[in-house]
Amino acid sequence: SQQGEEDPQALSIQEGENATMNCSYKTSINNLQWYRQNSGRGLVHLILIRSNEREKHSGRLRVTLDTSKKSSSLLITASRAADTASYFCATNSGGGADGLTFGKGTHLIIQP
Amino acid sequence: EADIYQTPRYLVIGTGKKITLECSQTMGHDKMYWYQQDPGMELHLIHYSYGVNSTEKGDLSSESTVSRIRTEHFPLTLESARPSHTSQYLCASSQKAARNEKLFFGSGTQLSVL
Repeated sequence: SQQGEEDPQALSIQEGENATMNCSYKTSINNLQWYRQNSGRGLVHLILIRSNEREKHSGRLRVTLDTSKKSSSLLITASRAADTASYFCATNSGGGADGLTFGKGTHLIIQP
Repeated sequence: EADIYQTPRYLVIGTGKKITLECSQTMGHDKMYWYQQDPGMELHLIHYSYGVNSTEKGDLSSESTVSRIRTEHFPLTLESARPSHTSQYLCASSQKAARNEKLFFGSGTQLSVL
């Protein structure tokens, strides 16, 4: 069953604006990860936040985690055209199988 | 840049053909995974491996099979392809033995079965 669920499904903003994507999950986690996928390509790991962390930064990325609400957000500041991609959150599988469970992703379009 | 490679990049074949999707990584990772992804949808784990001679089925049932004879190689085979197998197949690997460490992905194989 789907563990992570991103919101919104699609987001279009102007270059230079900030983009915020949200992720909700259902079961307890060890960590939550965000990945980026360019059209027709594999996923690239962006950032990992552990269950005992509340906020993490990496360059223009800021991730928050609220384990009481089972939710996370990814903020991309000062967006660029190259940020156009799909963004997925991923958590540990609730069904016992190894590997990460991914949501359907947020498709982000940066208008030049 | 991840050192994990998938071939072919695109594959269009007829129904009933046997196919093998190749995945190799040069990072010495023990854990490897196969995910299936339809356009605009989430990734579904179909197979994974902890190391040589280890293969496990994932969350999504799949008619494909995998093998892990060498650490760096994790091929996926479909004995008789059908149109329902049309999808993108993504191979990934991870470094640490601990659960849920970050994954490194290949570029994927886009499979179309006619």
